[in-house]
Amino acid sequence: AQTVTQSQPEMSVQEAETVTLSCTYDTSESDYYLFWYKQPPSRQMILVIRQEAYKQQNATENRFSVNFQKAAKSFSLKISDSQLGDAAMYFCAYRREPLQGGSEKLVFGKGTKLTVNP
Amino acid sequence: DAMVIQNPRYQVTQFGKPVTLSCSQTLNHNVMYWYQQKSSQAPKLLFHYYDKDFNNEADTPDNFQSRRPNTSFCFLDIRSPGLGDAAMYLCATSREWADGYTFGSGTRLTVV
Repeated sequence: AQTVTQSQPEMSVQEAETVTLSCTYDTSESDYYLFWYKQPPSRQMILVIRQEAYKQQNATENRFSVNFQKAAKSFSLKISDSQLGDAAMYFCAYRREPLQGGSEKLVFGKGTKLTVNP
Repeated sequence: DAMVIQNPRYQVTQFGKPVTLSCSQTLNHNVMYWYQQKSSQAPKLLFHYYDKDFNNEADTPDNFQSRRPNTSFCFLDIRSPGLGDAAMYLCATSREWADGYTFGSGTRLTVV
């Protein structure tokens, strides 16, 4: 079974600084997707960034970027120029390539709580 | 805007009293999921619908049931809530071939 591990239960960063959240996963599949989701307190979980396993290039979305190391099964999230609004729980998630006409569930890590200090 | 809507946002129910949580979507996504998220834990998948096909996770208690009368709506029924069922319940949708999910805002269930 696929597993996702986030080894940092909590992280903190100073406003405007850069922080990296770690994620490792275990799978025997070759085709899959990786995600980072953000869940602010009492608010909706939203997708931050996604990475297709077949793509070597690391995904980037504005201040958010990933370091995808397929061989090491590592998928870290870097947040640059951290803002107060970045404070949230961040979940790393894995989803294998669905079979045609099918769907596959997201497997989540336990999350990392990010605090942004002014 | 296309979205996933969960009602109510907060639900208080009595121990053992059946409760229903609802989810609706305007995205026309094939797949709808119900996750249970307890405090400081990862969301745990309870079940999902692929169109009308119901898929139950092996470790989902029988106390939890679901209905999907049409593409837009999906319900989570808890037949006899226990104190351990207090949690945030997240509804999510996806297209069959697509990548991430679209989540609703969740329903926080309190059992008294």
